[in-house]
Amino acid sequence: AQSVTQPDIHITVSEGASLELRCNYSYGATPYLFWYVQSPGQGLQLLLKYFSGDTLVQGIKGFEAEFKRSQSSFNLRKPSVHWSDAAEYFCAMHSGGYQKVTFGIGTKLQVIP
Amino acid sequence: DTAVSQTPKYLVTQMGNDKSIKCEQNLGHDTMYWYKQDSKKFLKIMFSYNNKELIINETVPNRFSPKSPDKAHLNLHINSLELGDSAVYFCASSQDTGIQETQYFGPGTRLLVL
Repeated sequence: AQSVTQPDIHITVSEGASLELRCNYSYGATPYLFWYVQSPGQGLQLLLKYFSGDTLVQGIKGFEAEFKRSQSSFNLRKPSVHWSDAAEYFCAMHSGGYQKVTFGIGTKLQVIP
Repeated sequence: DTAVSQTPKYLVTQMGNDKSIKCEQNLGHDTMYWYKQDSKKFLKIMFSYNNKELIINETVPNRFSPKSPDKAHLNLHINSLELGDSAVYFCASSQDTGIQETQYFGPGTRLLVL
């Protein structure tokens, strides 16, 4: 069965520090992978996506993610976190037909001064 | 202009009532979705429509009935509301059903059933 796992439910980092949010997937073929961010009281905004090609993808707001097939992972990174990055981050996988999307449970990011 | 809009933003109602949530997208997309986000923030797809036709219907109680009057609108009607229906409901749209298509989300409707 296909699934998306985000092992860290809550992460706290200091402003200016680097960030890595983990995402692992389970799927029999190459999935299409996405990272979304949800600010408090808001909808989801797409940060970046991976379909094929270069395994390091750049997104908005200075985020990047690396697809590693051998580890079934698609971790999100940012070199220097800003206070405005505090939000909930969702990893998602599109697989199968008709846009069947599986979301991870989300990682809540807290940024401290 | 908001790309995907939902009304109302907040909805507080009593158990047993019937309520509707409306969604509109002005992106010219062919495909629209409803998601439910529970109290643990877990997002799960409920329905998907393509060109006004139902294409995804996950295991959702039949108290939930989506209606798509045209490609730009996908409304969600809920009959006999239950406590467990309390959640945030997100509408989304994409250009079409292609697996690589990005989904654009609305701001959500926070439903509280008392």
